[in-house]
Amino acid sequence: EVQLVQSGTEVKKPGESLKISCKGSGYSFTSHWIAWVRQMPGKGLEWMGIIYPGDSDTRYSPSFQGQVTISADKSTSAAYLQWSSLKASDTAMYYCARVYIDFMMYYFDYWGQGTLVTVSS
Amino acid sequence: SSELTQDPAVSVALGQTVRITCQGDSLRSYYASWYQQKPGQAPVLVIYGKNNRPSGIPDRFSGSSSGNTASLTITGAQAEDEADYYCNSRDSSDNHCVFGGGTKLTVL
Repeated sequence: EVQLVQSGTEVKKPGESLKISCKGSGYSFTSHWIAWVRQMPGKGLEWMGIIYPGDSDTRYSPSFQGQVTISADKSTSAAYLQWSSLKASDTAMYYCARVYIDFMMYYFDYWGQGTLVTVSS
Repeated sequence: SSELTQDPAVSVALGQTVRITCQGDSLRSYYASWYQQKPGQAPVLVIYGKNNRPSGIPDRFSGSSSGNTASLTITGAQAEDEADYYCNSRDSSDNHCVFGGGTKLTVL
């Protein structure tokens, strides 16, 4: 059974750093892209970027480039989303999802349960 | 980058058919995928590709596309279908993706 299990709720102060995780199991972790998706309170889904754990090839949405770092550790089948200096506007639910990409399709077939990040002074 | 536009809200009477649409230039080249999200839950893939349903998704969900518009149709809507629905497609940029703004479906 394919599973993506994310790390738990985080409460941080502005300016602090944070790294959240997404651990995959039940499939070949290195052979599928993993995406991070943000959902701000009461808002829609936003694609942040993707990583291919097999070679760490990473792509970022222009909206998130330079704001976050996406990484992966294939030895532990985990993907990560990292901030060096959090802002209140980073308060959101963050989902990881497995991605299928081909010439015609781009879809997220399995999702993590989400990690709630709250940034408040 | 591309944009996908969805109606913010749609309603349907119990047992009737409803169509949720998604418009954008990227849909002329790429298939849309559709996700259902209920309050407090992660999104769930309901339609991908030309008209494919993942295992466990009821066959009352179907997808179609014409020109720059993709549609998700629920034939015989049930109370449990009340949720937010999002579309996404590939963007013209290298391996980038775009989501629609979401449609809140109310089943009356």
